[in-house]
Amino acid sequence: DAEITQSPRHKITETGRQVTLACHQTWNHNNMFWYRQDLGHGLRLIHYSYGVQDTNKGEVSDGYSVSRSNTEDLPLTLESAASSQTSVYFCASSPDRRSPLHFGNGTRLTVT
Amino acid sequence: QKEVEQNSGPLSVPEGAIASLNCTYSDRGSQSFFWYRQYSGKSPELIMSIYSNGDKEDGRFTAQLNKASQYVSLLIRDSQPSDSATYLCAVNGDNAGNMLTFGGGTRLMVKP
Repeated sequence: DAEITQSPRHKITETGRQVTLACHQTWNHNNMFWYRQDLGHGLRLIHYSYGVQDTNKGEVSDGYSVSRSNTEDLPLTLESAASSQTSVYFCASSPDRRSPLHFGNGTRLTVT
Repeated sequence: QKEVEQNSGPLSVPEGAIASLNCTYSDRGSQSFFWYRQYSGKSPELIMSIYSNGDKEDGRFTAQLNKASQYVSLLIRDSQPSDSATYLCAVNGDNAGNMLTFGGGTRLMVKP
């Protein structure tokens, strides 16, 4: 069955380190998204991509970057982790702009 | 101003009752509307999509859309304790990116 997987499920890192969260989908969806979810803020969009070599900034993109070298993967990189980036991160994908998103299981990141 | 508004709750209903969840949005050009359910510590899962005015029923769930009044609602009939979760409203607006905007979610508690 097609799916979207995130890794790792849990990550603890130190302030200032570079961290990369992986997202891999096997639906062959063009659109991929990264969200963070925090209490009191709901789901906030970090970055998104509408296809290979396409990346766009979302609402809370500062301190994060993404790259899209193939259809299946959209890794999220925290250039220099900060305590404010402690959060739950969700990757999602969709086939087109009118369709709902399918979410991965999430990555819980703690920056100490 | 947040573009998609939901009452954060908690909304408490007795088992077997109808739970009514509401969502308002600001973008009049919005085209697609979704309800997601999110259990604590899990990722959001799609439960309903609605694209045109009126009601859409799927089992115990009914989504209602009124574009003129800019609201979308979700009714859950015969509520069960297993329905206890946070329900997220998501709206695909008429913005440049056609991206989904999520409400903050309503926490539903169904008491046995």
